[in-house]
Amino acid sequence: QITLKESGPTLVKPTQTLTLTCTFSGFSLSTSGVGVGWIRQPPGKALEWLALIYWDDDKRYSPSLKSRLTITKDTSKNQVVLTMTNMDPVDTATYYCAHHLDHPYYFDYWGQGTLVTVSS
Amino acid sequence: QSALTQPASVSGSPGQSITISCTGTSNDVGSYNLVSWYQQHPGKAPKLMIYEGSKRPSGVSNRFSGSKSGNTASLTISGLQAEDEADYYCYSYAGSSTYVVFGGGTKLTVL
Repeated sequence: QITLKESGPTLVKPTQTLTLTCTFSGFSLSTSGVGVGWIRQPPGKALEWLALIYWDDDKRYSPSLKSRLTITKDTSKNQVVLTMTNMDPVDTATYYCAHHLDHPYYFDYWGQGTLVTVSS
Repeated sequence: QSALTQPASVSGSPGQSITISCTGTSNDVGSYNLVSWYQQHPGKAPKLMIYEGSKRPSGVSNRFSGSKSGNTASLTISGLQAEDEADYYCYSYAGSSTYVVFGGGTKLTVL
């Protein structure tokens, strides 16, 4: 059974860097076709895709946020880490990680999400 | 990147059918049969309802169906039930540069 869980700070200050960790079980990020992605959702707003990392270390980023994002994986620890630099209050959102399949591209298992508030 | 366009809200009575549209371009929805749909209840994580345009994951009711015509994908829910009231999002592969994109979401109200 696949599970994912996000962890990280609940409050960050403007201009700081956010580091979120997704710890998963029930699959391996060394299996062909498997990926883990990050998605966020500001309060009352829509889902927004942020980044994806695949079994072969291929990394994909949202074009609008690419300059601020870094995604990495630690296959031995079953973890994926997302860093986002220069945080702003508009980045306040629930951040989700999810299991993603390459070709045909969908998220089939999601974490519960973690709310990150950006405020001084 | 531009989000896929969905109606902000749709509504229907129990037992009726509703359709939610997801309009993209020839660079995403129109070029690939790779649209998926997600249901999200308040305070909960999204749940996969449809993938590859029209396929249902195990455990998803056959009242949910997906289709595509041109640059527009659609999610149809038949036999509406109170528990279907939720937000629905489409998602599509969009080529190697944009990569993937979500729709703006649709709030379904069951009257």
